[in-house]
Order: sequence, then structure tokens, then C-alpha cells
Amino acid sequence: DAKTTQPPSMDCAEGRAANLPCNHSTISGNEYVYWYRQIHSQGPQYIIHGLKNNETNEMASLIITEDRKSSTLILPHATLRDTAVYYCIVRVAVTGANNLFFGTGTRLTVIP
Amino acid sequence: NAGVTQTPKFQVLKTGQSMTLQCAQDMNHEYMSWYRQDPGMGLRLIHYSVGAGITDQGEVPNGYNVSRSTTEDFPLRLLSAAPSQTSVYFCASSYRSGHLAKNIQYFGAGTRLSVL
Repeated sequence: DAKTTQPPSMDCAEGRAANLPCNHSTISGNEYVYWYRQIHSQGPQYIIHGLKNNETNEMASLIITEDRKSSTLILPHATLRDTAVYYCIVRVAVTGANNLFFGTGTRLTVIP
Repeated sequence: NAGVTQTPKFQVLKTGQSMTLQCAQDMNHEYMSWYRQDPGMGLRLIHYSVGAGITDQGEVPNGYNVSRSTTEDFPLRLLSAAPSQTSVYFCASSYRSGHLAKNIQYFGAGTRLSVL
């Protein structure tokens, strides 16, 4: 799996958009980008995934650059409940063990 | 639809004791797995199962046993608890077929285990 790089921490004002970047410059053509988050003391939660097109769901939007070397997760109107550690994961199709490597992620703090 | 349910939420054991961490899912997922998360570290895969009757080892299997007699349940057994097994344990499930679905895992709320 391609290595990902995320800033260790970010702050965002409540009600504003939170833009979380992820660098994956070694991504290969068959690897997808997945985002998860882990709210304090809870299990990780899937947010969104994409290959090369921008994606949007009820939780967030995912913007992937044309060269696919980086992506941005956008929480359009951050709330206090969005305070969490956000993980960017790059994965291919897997067989057997599906060991999601979460890394250290970005700790997002939403400020009132 | 409860998703993935883990019990107990908290547990304190003495060294040498055994116990079973329960995990159940109601989404008819074929794939289930157990992770442990230590402070400041990522999740490490302990054991996994691709369906009833099939289990295999993950990254850190020593000291743990699993079985999968039904699609819904995937218990994790600590054979003889050690202080090094103090951790937060997460159970996860996903569909097996289709690589996109398989990378979308649903996690339980976790079991916080302390071994004294």
C-alpha cells in the first residue's frame, strides 16, 4: 500500500469547512483512497472513499487531485462532534487478511 | 440494526486469568476481525475470519484464540492474561466479496482491558 502523509493536527472553527489534506505521492493506478475517523474512545468510523473522481456523501466530500498524488477531505460545516483523529488510507483489492493500517492521522479540533 | 456490538465495555483481569471478549454483528458480513490499539499507536490486527468455520492469524496473534461458529459471532479468547495485553480491543466486520466493500470496515465501540 502507498504511504500517506498527514499533518499531525489542525484546528477549525465551528460552522466553518474543515479541509484535511493527505499526501500519497506513490499511489498506484489501482489503489483507492479511504478516509476514516476515530472519535475519542470510540471505534474507527468509515467516512468516504474514491479512486480519481471527486466524491460526496452525507458526511463529507473527497477531492482527489488529477495526478492522484494528494487528496483533501472536506467537512463542509464542522461541528464540535467532528473533533476526532482522521485517517487517510490508500488500499488495493485485498485477499485474506484485511489489515487496515491507520497510521497516526490528523487530530482535528473543532473550536466553538 | 445494531451494527457491531462488543461486550464487555470494560474489564480488569489479574495476570493468568482467562476471559472471552464477545463480538456480534447483524449485517450478515462474512469478514470479521479483531484489532488491538495501544496508547499512541495504531490498530494492530490480531486474528481475522473470512467466514464461519474459517479463521487465521493476523499481525499479533500470540496469547489469543478465536473461533467462528456462526456468521454473526466472533469471540476473542485470552488464554492466560498478561500485563502486555492491557489495551483497547476493537472488533470489525465487512463484506468479503468486492475489494471496495472489503475495505469498508465497521467497528464496534471497543473493550478496554486492564491486566494487573
